Amino acid sequence: AQKITQTQPGMFVQEKEAVTLDCTYDTSDPSYGLFWYKQPSSGEMIFLIYQGSYDQQNATEGRYSLNFQKARKSANLVISASQLGDSAMYFCAMRAINTGNQFYFGTGTSLTVIP
Amino acid sequence: DGGITQSPKYLFRKEGQNVTLSCEQNLNHDAMYWYRQDPGQGLRLIYYSQIVNDFQKGDIAEGYSVSREKKESFPLTVTSAQKNPTAFYLCASSGGAATSIYEQYFGPGTRLTVL
Repeated sequence: AQKITQTQPGMFVQEKEAVTLDCTYDTSDPSYGLFWYKQPSSGEMIFLIYQGSYDQQNATEGRYSLNFQKARKSANLVISASQLGDSAMYFCAMRAINTGNQFYFGTGTSLTVIP
Repeated sequence: DGGITQSPKYLFRKEGQNVTLSCEQNLNHDAMYWYRQDPGQGLRLIYYSQIVNDFQKGDIAEGYSVSREKKESFPLTVTSAQKNPTAFYLCASSGGAATSIYEQYFGPGTRLTVL
């Protein structure tokens, strides 16, 4: 069975500092993808970053990077130089090849950036 | 502009009535999904469809129904059998074949309130 775990219900970070949001996953499928989404108070889900299970390097997209540790089954999101607009819910998700097109989401982490 | 549209943004219904939520995409994606989100919670999968005229139940399909007559459209009906339908409903789509991994793109969501 596929499972995503986010153990931090809420996080606080000072503006301009970096923050790490934790995500662990469980799958027996060797081929899978890991995703992070941002959900502001408006409710829309915004795709941030993707990491494939066979990718050798950690994914980066602007201020977002994914710290992928395959042996530990973790895919933590690092946000550098936090901005007030980063305050939102953040969800980790996974899709494995053998589950077709089904995605699995964690319960989310609420991030608050303090001025 | 390619994207996913959901209508209406806010929906009110009386208890015992069926209601249909619209979801349209012009991204030419094969797969489409419906999720339910309750306050402070993660996303739970209601139904998903990988191709036209085919769909599968997710984790919480009871009290809901869907159709996929066109690639672009995946409407969700919340029936009177759904015990607690008040929630935020998100539609998503994903491209690529089932043997590839692509991110999901989300619509803006519909907030359903049962009076």
